Amino acid sequence: DTGVSQNPRHKITKRGQNVTFRCDPISEHNRLYWYRQTLGQGPEFLTYFQNEAQLEKSRLLSDRFSAERPKGSFSTLEIQRTEQGDSAMYLCASSPELTTEAFFGQGTRLTVV
Amino acid sequence: AQSVSQHNHHVILSEAASLELGCNYSYGGTVNLFWYVQYPGQHLQLLLKYFSGDPLVKGIKGFEAEFIKSKFSFNLRKPSVQWSDTAEYFCAVNALSGTYKYIFGTGTRLKVLA
Repeated sequence: DTGVSQNPRHKITKRGQNVTFRCDPISEHNRLYWYRQTLGQGPEFLTYFQNEAQLEKSRLLSDRFSAERPKGSFSTLEIQRTEQGDSAMYLCASSPELTTEAFFGQGTRLTVV
Repeated sequence: AQSVSQHNHHVILSEAASLELGCNYSYGGTVNLFWYVQYPGQHLQLLLKYFSGDPLVKGIKGFEAEFIKSKFSFNLRKPSVQWSDTAEYFCAVNALSGTYKYIFGTGTRLKVLA
């Protein structure tokens, strides 16, 4: 399968713990996006990478969230000191260039208890 | 700031009925427009897209959408829905300058009754 791969698919964590998610984009896609989706809502933009450079981060994003994309390949999203409000589906998407669609992964469902 | 509005949150139709889902966006510049579909338990998939040219675009599974620039709209249509079209549909825009992020609407949950 050469689509966008996200791991883990599900994560249950206790409030206050740190979690890290991984995204492997489609090979040679230089643009990578992280989104968050809650029930009944559309995907909400979190951050965007072009190669290894993080070019935009949502102003709504708490400083507990951090993302990296070393060497412009896979990306990780870390949430520190998780809160119950962080419970959501975290989506990763990639695209080869601006004038095309984004390809989405299956997502990581986070539950904070 | 860019935004996308989808007017219908829940739609219930019988098989063979016609479908039209509304989408309006707010952005003053040039945009790419998309409709994505999310079937139960599956990831977001592209249904169709508009970049330029003919404002009537055709996508997969018999879906089409019309871009009306003066109305900032990109409505999705299908002449005859099937039970398998039951899914959630998201309209999205992607600006061609400044930020390159995709902005999504809140989605429309479609249920087709057999």
